[in-house]
Amino acid sequence: DADVTQTPRNRITKTGKRIMLECSQTKGHDRMYWYRQDPGLGLRLIYYSFDVKDINKGEISDGYSVSRQAQAKFSLSLESAIPNQTALYFCATSDRGSGSPAKTQYFGPGTRLLVL
Amino acid sequence: KQEVTQIPAALSVPEGENLVLNCSFTDSAIYNLQWFRQDPGKGLTSLLLIQSSQREQTSGRLNASLDKSSGRSTLYIAASQPGDSATYLCAVYAGGTSYGKLTFGQGTILTVHP
Repeated sequence: DADVTQTPRNRITKTGKRIMLECSQTKGHDRMYWYRQDPGLGLRLIYYSFDVKDINKGEISDGYSVSRQAQAKFSLSLESAIPNQTALYFCATSDRGSGSPAKTQYFGPGTRLLVL
Repeated sequence: KQEVTQIPAALSVPEGENLVLNCSFTDSAIYNLQWFRQDPGKGLTSLLLIQSSQREQTSGRLNASLDKSSGRSTLYIAASQPGDSATYLCAVYAGGTSYGKLTFGQGTILTVHP
């Protein structure tokens, strides 16, 4: 979805390097998410943010940190990359739910990360 | 902890065939269930969202059903076409401590050959 952009689209880095993946959205949504996808494991939630001042850990947050710089921007950092962080990373957004979380999530195109 | 399983992991069918993809989840306390399509090199596209109070949703040749009490959903694709080839993912919005988060299945890789 062109309304959610991710940079870079592909990245190769070495063990121990710090890298940042960026996500921007023009949908005006309050909620943003970071997922990683590994073959055979589906998507797993790393971090999510319901607004600029709200950051929450997902199921696999160890080794990652995030920053919500503005409503439209949500960055994911790997402080010291390791090979098992090689994966496809997706950013997603959703609108605020009116009393429930039941809103469609819109996904970016993904960032393919290889850690050597 | 909510777990979502999709069967089969891969499916190959000839064009024109009707097919069913299955999704099961362990915790029936969900707000809704969503089916996505993923094409290589692209993000996920939402196909259908079924609220927990609904039994099914339809969009064109796609029909998704939900049986919350048994923890199951199916995605029915009628008259399949080669353009339907993609990975199909099922995801549930759970309540409780998982409020606001989607839990995904591993996906079904569908190939429709001419």
